[in-house]
Amino acid sequence: GEDVEQSLFLSVREGDSSVINCTYTDSSSTYLYWYKQEPGAGLQLLTYIFSNMDMKQDQRLTVLLNKKDKHLSLRIADTQTGDSAIYFCAERELTGGGNKLTFGTGTQLKVEL
Amino acid sequence: NAGVTQTPKFRILKIGQSMTLQCTQDMNHNYMYWYRQDPGMGLKLIYYSVGAGITDKGEVPNGYNVSRSTTEDFPLRLELAAPSQTSVYFCATRTGGNTGELFFGEGSRLTVL
Repeated sequence: GEDVEQSLFLSVREGDSSVINCTYTDSSSTYLYWYKQEPGAGLQLLTYIFSNMDMKQDQRLTVLLNKKDKHLSLRIADTQTGDSAIYFCAERELTGGGNKLTFGTGTQLKVEL
Repeated sequence: NAGVTQTPKFRILKIGQSMTLQCTQDMNHNYMYWYRQDPGMGLKLIYYSVGAGITDKGEVPNGYNVSRSTTEDFPLRLELAAPSQTSVYFCATRTGGNTGELFFGEGSRLTVL
């Protein structure tokens, strides 16, 4: 089955760039997602990338995908205190109906002044 | 539109008690999911449904049951609650589109003592 791994914590200074990393194991065509969870709330989709793409940029967010190494990263430029949250990587396998997403453990991002 | 509504938000149960977590959506999405979130463990899929009348097990279904009699409602039942079921439970929905974005409720925090 799929396994998605992330480091648990990341601390950055306000204004710096943050890079959150994720590794996944499924080798079939898939969508990969980044979700954000603020305290006491559910998860919200930040961005996603399909496995035939290498990069996707959306304002301050840049997603990089290395399919050979099964490595996904999320870069947040000019990190702000409002970016402090837990960030989850998730993988959706398209075989078998594509009905399930597998989430990573989440990376807690702390932005310091 | 309310989106995905979960009740209750908080609940304390004694070992052996039973209860139902309610999830209602007004987005007319066919797919619905129940996840549990434990610290450092990410989200684990308990059960999911691809439409009214159809449910299937996820990664961690033991100790839980679900039903899906309507498109809108997807209740999660805990029978004989155990301390291992102390967790935050999230209900989510998605459309049938390719991107597979999940829409989450705000969560239900359950403590079993």
